[in-house]
Amino acid sequence: AQTVTQSQPEMSVQEAETVTLSCTYDTSESDYYLFWYKQPPSRQMILVIRQEAYKQQNATENRFSVNFQKAAKSFSLKISDSQLGDAAMYFCAYRSGGGTNAGKSTFGDGTTLTVKP
Amino acid sequence: KAGVTQTPRYLIKTRGQQVTLSCSPISGHRSVSWYQQTPGQGLQFLFEYFSETQRNKGNFPGRFSGRQFSNSRSEMNVSTLELGDSALYLCASSSTGGPPANEQFFGPGTRLTVL
Repeated sequence: AQTVTQSQPEMSVQEAETVTLSCTYDTSESDYYLFWYKQPPSRQMILVIRQEAYKQQNATENRFSVNFQKAAKSFSLKISDSQLGDAAMYFCAYRSGGGTNAGKSTFGDGTTLTVKP
Repeated sequence: KAGVTQTPRYLIKTRGQQVTLSCSPISGHRSVSWYQQTPGQGLQFLFEYFSETQRNKGNFPGRFSGRQFSNSRSEMNVSTLELGDSALYLCASSSTGGPPANEQFFGPGTRLTVL
């Protein structure tokens, strides 16, 4: 079974600073995808960034980027120039890419990010 | 396009009752997944439907069931409710059944409280 671990229940960052959220996963599959989702107090889950495991290049979306270390099974999220609107719970998620588990998702426990003005 | 809608948004039931939650995906989306979110267990995958077929399911008891209709709308049913079923139930849709890299769009959730 796949597992996703977010070792930081809470993180805080000063506005305009950079913060990195950690995520590690365990799997024996070779075909999978990784995601970071943001869930603000409204509870609306929003996709922040995704990474295909077969791609070596780290994904980037504006101020959000990932450090994908496939051998180490690590998938951290870096938020640059943090903004007050970035405050939310962040979830790391794994999604199986093929076989009988295709599409099955596993989420980490989440990291609550606080942004201080 | 309208987003994923879930009804009802809030629900209060008592132990032993059953409940049906509904999810309408984004128009054109054929894949619908359900998740349970609780403070203690986090976000857990319930099942995924594509073209009216359950393609995958998580580790939940048989009291949790679902179905998908020809218009891609999906329902999940929980029978014989227990206190531990109190949770936020999230539905997510994506445009095709694969590849799994396709973005999932989440609904606002249904908050179920079991008394």
